[in-house]
Amino acid sequence: GAVVSQHPSWVICKSGTSVKIECRSLDFQATTMFWYRQFPKQSLMLMATSNEGSKATYEQGVEKDKFLINHASLTLSTLTVTSAHPEDSSFYICSAIPAYGTAYEQYFGPGTRLTVT
Amino acid sequence: DAKTTQPPSMDCAEGRAANLPCNHSTISGNEYVYWYRQIHSQGPQYIIHGLKNNETNEMASLIITEDRKSSTLILPHATLRDTAVYYCIVRPHNNDMRFGAGTRLTVKP
Repeated sequence: GAVVSQHPSWVICKSGTSVKIECRSLDFQATTMFWYRQFPKQSLMLMATSNEGSKATYEQGVEKDKFLINHASLTLSTLTVTSAHPEDSSFYICSAIPAYGTAYEQYFGPGTRLTVT
Repeated sequence: DAKTTQPPSMDCAEGRAANLPCNHSTISGNEYVYWYRQIHSQGPQYIIHGLKNNETNEMASLIITEDRKSSTLILPHATLRDTAVYYCIVRPHNNDMRFGAGTRLTVKP
C-alpha cells in the first residue's frame, strides 16, 4: 500500500521555541493532507485540512497562527508549532488522500511525538 | 456529534474470532463505513470499508446490516498482534476521517 512518512518521529523542544514536522507521501501524490493531534489515552482529533497550493482549513478551536501548515507540493505538507508550550506536547499524525483513483483510503503517517519542556 | 458508537473495550482469546460491533444509526445514504485500527504509538492502519454489502479482505470481514444502522468487524483468527484500538468511522468518500473513541481490543493468550 501507499506509504506516508513523518519526520521527525519524536522531538523535544524548549518552551517558546518553534518546531516543524514534515509529512511526505512517498509513492503517490496527495492533493489533500490532514493533520491530527492525539493526547494520551484519547482519540485522534482533526486539526486541519491541507490542500496543495492553498491555505489550510482549520477545525474550530485550533489556532491557525500557532499551528502553521504549508502544503507546497503534492508530496509534502509541514506543520509548524510556533511558540510551543508544554500543553502542546502531543502525538501529531498526518494522513493523505491520493490524487488518483477512488480515494477511499486515507493513508496515515507513523506520527511524531512532540514533548515541550 | 458522535456518528458511531462502539464498546470501549473487548477481550478475545488468541486464535478465536474477534467480533467488534459498531452502531451508526444516523448514517446517510452516501456514507461509507470504514474501519481503522491503531496499535500503540503508531499511526492508524486501514482495515476495510463498505457501503451496504458485506466485504472481506485479507485482514477482516465487514458485515453491514440491511438497514445500515450497524456493522460488525470480524477478525477471523485473532492474534496477539491484533491488540489495538479499533475505530469505526462513517463518512462520504472524499471527506476527512473523524475518529470516535474506538474499541480497545485485547487479545489474550
